[in-house]
Amino acid sequence: GAVVSQHPSRVICKSGTSVKIECRSLDFQATTMFWYRQFPKQSLMLMATSNEGSKATYEQGVEKDKFLINHASLTLSTLTVTSAHPEDSSFYICSAGRDIYNEQFFGPGTRLTVL
Amino acid sequence: QKEVEQNSGPLSVPEGAIASLNCTYSDRGSQSFFWYRQYSGKSPELIMSIYSNGDKEDGRFTAQLNKASQYVSLLIRDSQPSDSATYLCAVNLYREGGGADGLTFGKGTHLIIQP
Repeated sequence: GAVVSQHPSRVICKSGTSVKIECRSLDFQATTMFWYRQFPKQSLMLMATSNEGSKATYEQGVEKDKFLINHASLTLSTLTVTSAHPEDSSFYICSAGRDIYNEQFFGPGTRLTVL
Repeated sequence: QKEVEQNSGPLSVPEGAIASLNCTYSDRGSQSFFWYRQYSGKSPELIMSIYSNGDKEDGRFTAQLNKASQYVSLLIRDSQPSDSATYLCAVNLYREGGGADGLTFGKGTHLIIQP
């Protein structure tokens, strides 16, 4: 159990385009999902907390107008990187929390390359 | 400021020996503690979670928590070459009234099991 899927696994796009990443919890309902970003040889950095039915909460320094998050249901959250630039190239990973202790399970990640 | 500290390594351990990984955290309000394993290019995989002081064992893995010292550790017995990975320590602050924060990660310890 506790499976989280993420799609697509890899994206290469031109600068200025928008990219949408989907995150699904397959075998449990997740009121809260999280989006992280990981640059090479660095640890995961929380970008935002996605709450079903309400606005996402963004971490300091993360532009909410650039990284649009929608949590449409208890099993689906999407992250849209708008007007992507080369510096947005990174490994984006979502997670879903399962219990009151917020035990989180991660999706396989999306590797974004912006040319 | 929530901080999680780990020795980046690399930590080299002979096959069959015990690998000991350590982590300290700064936020005394932290309630949930996790160890994740991350292979290169992959997303983190939950190995252990621990919420109360003492030891928790699961197969070859033992997590140890000491809240007074703000210290959490992971022991891997009978280390195998397949255990070679980066191990991430993560903490979560549980909020009264529900809701959840994203995890704060350490930078990870690179573990190498020598055959």
